[in-house]
Amino acid sequence: AQKITQTQPGMFVQEKEAVTLDCTYDTSDPSYGLFWYKQPSSGEMIFLIYQGSYDQQNATEGRYSLNFQKARKSANLVISASQLGDSAMYFCAMSNRRGAGSYQLTFGKGTKLSVIP
Amino acid sequence: DAMVIQNPRYQVTQFGKPVTLSCSQTLNHNVMYWYQQKSSQAPKLLFHYYDKDFNNEADTPDNFQSRRPNTSFCFLDIRSPGLGDAAMYLCATSRVEGGLNTQYFGPGTRLTVL
Repeated sequence: AQKITQTQPGMFVQEKEAVTLDCTYDTSDPSYGLFWYKQPSSGEMIFLIYQGSYDQQNATEGRYSLNFQKARKSANLVISASQLGDSAMYFCAMSNRRGAGSYQLTFGKGTKLSVIP
Repeated sequence: DAMVIQNPRYQVTQFGKPVTLSCSQTLNHNVMYWYQQKSSQAPKLLFHYYDKDFNNEADTPDNFQSRRPNTSFCFLDIRSPGLGDAAMYLCATSRVEGGLNTQYFGPGTRLTVL
């Protein structure tokens, strides 16, 4: 069974500072994908960043980077230079193949990030 | 811009009155998913279509049905909504390419049951 653990229900960060959101995972599949999504209060799930299990380099997308430590089964999200618009719920998710062509996305419980002016 | 569209954004229905939520996509993705997300919880997968093949999650209630008449559209039917079905319903799509299978979500439909 796949499992995603986000141990921080809520986090606060000062505007312009960097913040790390923790995520650990558990799977027996050799091939999997790790994702971070942002969900503002409006409800839309916004894709932020992806890391494949075989990727050698940590993924980066603008101000977002994923600190992937495979041996420790962790995939922490780092947001640099926080902005007020970053205040939202953040979900870590893992994708595993289920059958021909489809994948299961397992979500963590989320971390609510609040950026303080 | 290519996107996932959900209508309506807000839906109010009465206890037991059937309701249909719709999702359309211009991404030409072959997989479409429906998730239910209750307040302060993670999204929960209800079912998905891989092309025309329907895949139901084992714990999805029979009250929930889905239709995918073509590649672009997918519908979620709730036959007899109960108070416990009030939630955000998220549609997502993905296209499997070389192992990359990012799911892109629509804005969601927030369902209220009176």
